[in-house]
Amino acid sequence: RKEVEQDPGPFNVPEGATVAFNCTYSNSASQSFFWYRQDCRKEPKLLMSVYSSGNEDGRFTAQLNRASQYISLLIRDSKLSDSATYLCVVNSPIYGGSQGNLIFGKGTKLSVKP
Amino acid sequence: NAGVTQTPKFQVLKTGQSMTLQCAQDMNHEYMSWYRQDPGMGLRLIHYSVGAGITDQGEVPNGYNVSRSTTEDFPLRLLSAAPSQTSVYFCASSYSVADPPLHFGNGTRLTVT
Repeated sequence: RKEVEQDPGPFNVPEGATVAFNCTYSNSASQSFFWYRQDCRKEPKLLMSVYSSGNEDGRFTAQLNRASQYISLLIRDSKLSDSATYLCVVNSPIYGGSQGNLIFGKGTKLSVKP
Repeated sequence: NAGVTQTPKFQVLKTGQSMTLQCAQDMNHEYMSWYRQDPGMGLRLIHYSVGAGITDQGEVPNGYNVSRSTTEDFPLRLLSAAPSQTSVYFCASSYSVADPPLHFGNGTRLTVT
């Protein structure tokens, strides 16, 4: 089983739609969780951290279910500018180090159409 | 602040050649790492460092060397380039792994023929 698995996509949605991405992680020792956004041919950038109680940032809501080892990202009222690849990222101790390393999912591509 | 600076942006190598990808950050970050990104594979960790003088291997370290003589610099060396190393390489840094965000450089697009 891969460390971090995501819906492969692509998701093609109209402007204004609500879209949800899911992600599962395999290492129960993981402590930190994030969503990154990557635009075409650009570097990844942090979208938001994911907290145990769930958190919201404007139109974006992230949820964490530690029991099921599951993370989600909900985007409401999609904008054209939301078109990008969304990367689920988990801090895992798999490669050693006292604080682990960030392991990236393969990403889910979102295209928002007019 | 320049953030994380990677050079070169593009590089073409012949099989067997060696080269160094440069990475520098001016944010006094202790943690630095190198990832490669291939279509359908996502970002995979090559090597990482938690401070000057300390380096360790990630998921795909074979064929690559790193060193961390200063806090600012974390070069990645390809010892003998192979076509399988054709990829986009990203350097990244943060205060610590648990302290987001991870700041990425703009990437180096490497082609090995």
